[in-house]
Amino acid sequence: AQSVTQLDSQVPVFEEAPVELRCNYSSSVSVYLFWYVQYPNQGLQLLLKYLSGSTLVKGINGFEAEFNKSQTSFHLRKPSVHISDTAEYFCAVSRYSGTYKYIFGTGTRLKVLA
Amino acid sequence: SQTIHQWPATLVQPVGSPLSLECTVEGTSNPNLYWYRQAAGRGLQLLFYSVGIGQISSEVPQNLSASRPQDRQFILSSKKLLLSDSGFYLCACRRDSYNSPLHFGNGTRLTVT
Repeated sequence: AQSVTQLDSQVPVFEEAPVELRCNYSSSVSVYLFWYVQYPNQGLQLLLKYLSGSTLVKGINGFEAEFNKSQTSFHLRKPSVHISDTAEYFCAVSRYSGTYKYIFGTGTRLKVLA
Repeated sequence: SQTIHQWPATLVQPVGSPLSLECTVEGTSNPNLYWYRQAAGRGLQLLFYSVGIGQISSEVPQNLSASRPQDRQFILSSKKLLLSDSGFYLCACRRDSYNSPLHFGNGTRLTVT
């Protein structure tokens, strides 16, 4: 069975500092990987996706993530965060089983401090 | 691009009352549709998905049901709500293509009292 682990439930960081949000997955088959962001009382917005090819993926709002197959990780990074990046971030994997099913981690709440 | 409409945005219902949440999609045809529930600190739980009209797959046994009467309409229902049905319900869709990601609506916050 697939699973997604986001070990950090909350990450506080000062404005303009770098941040890394960790994501590890388990799967015996090839998967597609995603990061989503959720602002309060809103749906999830796609930040970036990894399907194949280059292991470094760039997304919106200055975020990037690196796929590491040997470590089964897909950590999200940003070199300099802003107050507006305060939100909840979800890592997800998808695989095909009748349709593409998406398994989400429990989320990491990023709090950017002034 | 795809646009997903969900309503209502918030809903307070008493235990034992029925439920109907509606989701409609614009900008794509024959989408794959999904209902997720989000509980605090527990991520997103896939409830139902649909690959076509009248085709519903349930992921977990529960007090809820789903229907897809039209290509771009997905409805989540219950005959009698339980307290445990409270949560944030999200409708999502994707094009039927391997590299198409999920897109989400803005959700409905349901409180069962």
